[in-house]
Amino acid sequence: EADIYQTPRYLVIGTGKKITLECSQTMGHDKMYWYQQDPGMELHLIHYSYGVNSTEKGDLSSESTVSRIRTEHFPLTLESARPSHTSQYLCASRTTGRSRTEAFFGQGTRLTVV
Amino acid sequence: DQQVKQNSPSLSVQEGRISILNCDYTNSMFDYFLWYKKYPAEGPTFLISISSIKDKNEDGRFTVFLNKSAKHLSLHIVPSQPGDSAVYFCAASRRVTYGGSQGNLIFGKGTKLSVKP
Repeated sequence: EADIYQTPRYLVIGTGKKITLECSQTMGHDKMYWYQQDPGMELHLIHYSYGVNSTEKGDLSSESTVSRIRTEHFPLTLESARPSHTSQYLCASRTTGRSRTEAFFGQGTRLTVV
Repeated sequence: DQQVKQNSPSLSVQEGRISILNCDYTNSMFDYFLWYKKYPAEGPTFLISISSIKDKNEDGRFTVFLNKSAKHLSLHIVPSQPGDSAVYFCAASRRVTYGGSQGNLIFGKGTKLSVKP
């Protein structure tokens, strides 16, 4: 079983509020990712990190920001939430090495901005 | 432009029969492919993967077939069970190099499988 955790599971928040979605993993994985997914759509990569102090934007433009101060922690922040940010946010981690590995996902955060 | 395509949004099969989920890709540099299963309001869970050096990988009821010339892979579930009802995502990645985005997973839109008792 994957040891990657996201909090909160569900969040309903008003427009203009600042929010932070938490993601932690205990597997010591160096690579971590944030995906955004809407119903019937693919998972879109919005941020990734290859290690401490490394963060990159993904394929889908996002107004969110991320930080990676510790290996196990990869929080995502929205400074001012808008209804267009309503979506499911999925955090994942993966190890690197010569062999291929799968990514492990957290349970996701369902965000609703009203 | 989508690099990983799952052209069937949904599939319905009878319990005990075979489920076949299809996936096509356009990037010939992809060399590692994965299938994930996802329930609503949950994160995806890994099912099975295949490297481009193989054309088949089997794990219990799940078998993935890869046809590199056609840039096509499929997931077979035999026998299908009602608990298999979920959305199945196909994902692909290129060879990992240190730094850069080549190793990131690219996902399709998913196929919703319904297995009827």
